[in-house]
Amino acid sequence: GAVVSQHPSRVICKSGTSVKIECRSLDFQATTMFWYRQFPKQSLMLMATSNEGSKATYEQGVEKDKFLINHASLTLSTLTVTSAHPEDSSFYICSAPIRGGRINEQFFGPGTRLTVL
Amino acid sequence: LAKTTQPISMDSYEGQEVNITCSHNNIATNDYITWYQQFPSQGPRFIIQGYKTKVTNEVASLFIPADRKSSTLSLPRVSLSDTAVYYCLASQDTGRRALTFGSGTRLQVQP
Repeated sequence: GAVVSQHPSRVICKSGTSVKIECRSLDFQATTMFWYRQFPKQSLMLMATSNEGSKATYEQGVEKDKFLINHASLTLSTLTVTSAHPEDSSFYICSAPIRGGRINEQFFGPGTRLTVL
Repeated sequence: LAKTTQPISMDSYEGQEVNITCSHNNIATNDYITWYQQFPSQGPRFIIQGYKTKVTNEVASLFIPADRKSSTLSLPRVSLSDTAVYYCLASQDTGRRALTFGSGTRLQVQP
């Protein structure tokens, strides 16, 4: 199957700093990628839709100025958590569908665990 | 996108068959039933999908009754490595929208 990678796999940062998370589709092009956040023992919550060449679409309650998304190429989307605070500590996961793929099938990255001290 | 209901958690022992049932009473005609598996600290992965009757692959079987208002994921002879959260979706996404995950079923396999 298709592979989506994320980097870094885990990051620890101080409160107030910014952190960039990369999501790459390794063997296919992804005009759309999705960013989710998952807190312990909870389900995945969609944060935003990343579209290559255009602005991201954010879900209600997600601050676009805090979670900056850039989809600069057909294989790379980045999520920057600006001025991170301890409440931003979470597991961030990206996904991408393949054009012409199976219904309801998306390929997920391995996730990035962010810990803000 | 149909609302799905699954048990929050299940426990099993190695070697047993595990059946996880998902309810999707308001499933639409064009919706497919899809199951994802998520291991701890990993992203979910697609494991099986069906529209009606029975589907089997190398990982699991999926049973869907004629009314399609529920489905059952069957994992034969589970091992410790099957410990994961299993999510049921009833949807018809072609890649233009994000997937919506419910609470999932947390399966714990004991030795």
